[in-house]
Amino acid sequence: GAVVSQHPSWVICKSGTSVKIECRSLDFQATTMFWYRQFPKQSLMLMATSNEGSKATYEQGVEKDKFLINHASLTLSTLTVTSAHPEDSSFYICSADRQGITEAFFGQGTRLTVV
Amino acid sequence: GDSVTQMEGPVTLSEEAFLTINCTYTATGYPSLFWYVQYPGEGLQLLLKATKADDKGSNKGFEATYRKETTSFHLEKGSVQVSDSAVYFCALSDSWGKLQFGAGTQVVVTP
Repeated sequence: GAVVSQHPSWVICKSGTSVKIECRSLDFQATTMFWYRQFPKQSLMLMATSNEGSKATYEQGVEKDKFLINHASLTLSTLTVTSAHPEDSSFYICSADRQGITEAFFGQGTRLTVV
Repeated sequence: GDSVTQMEGPVTLSEEAFLTINCTYTATGYPSLFWYVQYPGEGLQLLLKATKADDKGSNKGFEATYRKETTSFHLEKGSVQVSDSAVYFCALSDSWGKLQFGAGTQVVVTP
């Protein structure tokens, strides 16, 4: 199978600080990864599409300066929540697509709590 | 744009009961359809999928058939177990990897 690892699985940070979340494809190369956000008891909302070697494509309403995405290699994408505030507290989850397979492979998710 | 609508939860069932979660979609193209499951505190796992009309996806006793004429992809299981308690998401993908999710349906199975 295809394994996507997300780290950390949970993090607590103070308001105003930045938090980096990593998403790695462990046994395949992913030219495209996706970042989703899930509020409690709600569905997943796509935040952005991360493309290796180029700028991320953000969905409408997502602040690109606040949610920095870097896809520096074919196996790693990072999401940095800058100057985090309590309203950024959420469950963030990444997925990666594998060429030739009509299925997205998800990481375990990261629960961010900003205090 | 594309969208997915699924029945609201929570759905509470007794063990061995029959489960149906309705899902309908709107799409301009010919999407692939998925059911994902999320257990408490965990990420998403693919439960089953169907890539074209009349395909039936099945896994772990769950089934769903891609119905183009009714734009539906209802999830069914004949006899649920307590371990099936989770949140179930219907989703479509009109391009590689980018998913549009339904709101999710929480299923609670009691002994």
